[in-house]
Amino acid sequence: GQNIDQPTEMTATEGAIVQINCTYQTSGFNGLFWYQQHAGEAPTFLSYNVLDGLEEKGRFSSFLSRSKGYSYLLLKELQMKDSASYLCAAASGGSYIPTFGRGTSLIVHP
Amino acid sequence: GAGVSQSPRYKVAKRGQDVALRCDPISGHVSLFWYQQALGQGPEFLTYFQNEAQLDKSGLPSDRFFAERPEGSVSTLKIQRTQQEDSAVYLCASSLDLNTGELFFGEGSRLTVL
Repeated sequence: GQNIDQPTEMTATEGAIVQINCTYQTSGFNGLFWYQQHAGEAPTFLSYNVLDGLEEKGRFSSFLSRSKGYSYLLLKELQMKDSASYLCAAASGGSYIPTFGRGTSLIVHP
Repeated sequence: GAGVSQSPRYKVAKRGQDVALRCDPISGHVSLFWYQQALGQGPEFLTYFQNEAQLDKSGLPSDRFFAERPEGSVSTLKIQRTQQEDSAVYLCASSLDLNTGELFFGEGSRLTVL
């Protein structure tokens, strides 16, 4: 099985930087995903990390350390529209099926 | 269509009724997933299809839940004798290439069991 842990809620100020952490325990690791989900909407894909290191994509970056079972999502230049739930997910056991954590609700305030 | 389409968007059922939820994946997407999302929780995996083959159904919570994808395109999730604990949003997702890690989700079907 898999165990994915991330904070329930975070708050940050518009224009600031926020880091959302995720730890996981899996067997046969096949990658770490981040998805964004606005309230009442479908999750949308942000990133997929298989190898250690940082991947940058515009204002969003995702980091993975396989040896530590740790990932983070870094959001820069926060905007009000970034208020959403951020879902960490891991694939394992020879499968590419994401198993999701409960999500981190990010509130961006002026 | 351009994205994953799910219907109905909202369904209210009386306890004990059977319901059927439909998913139209993006054309050409081989992989199709069903997830269940309770309020304030992350999506919980239910089942996975590759074309018409159901390769993993380990997440289906009971034998009241059944999914099919007979022609490798549209999929239906059926819940028999619904219970109040079945109330959730049921999300469908499809993927062209799992190596990219990208799943495309529909907006979900919100089921409320009274």
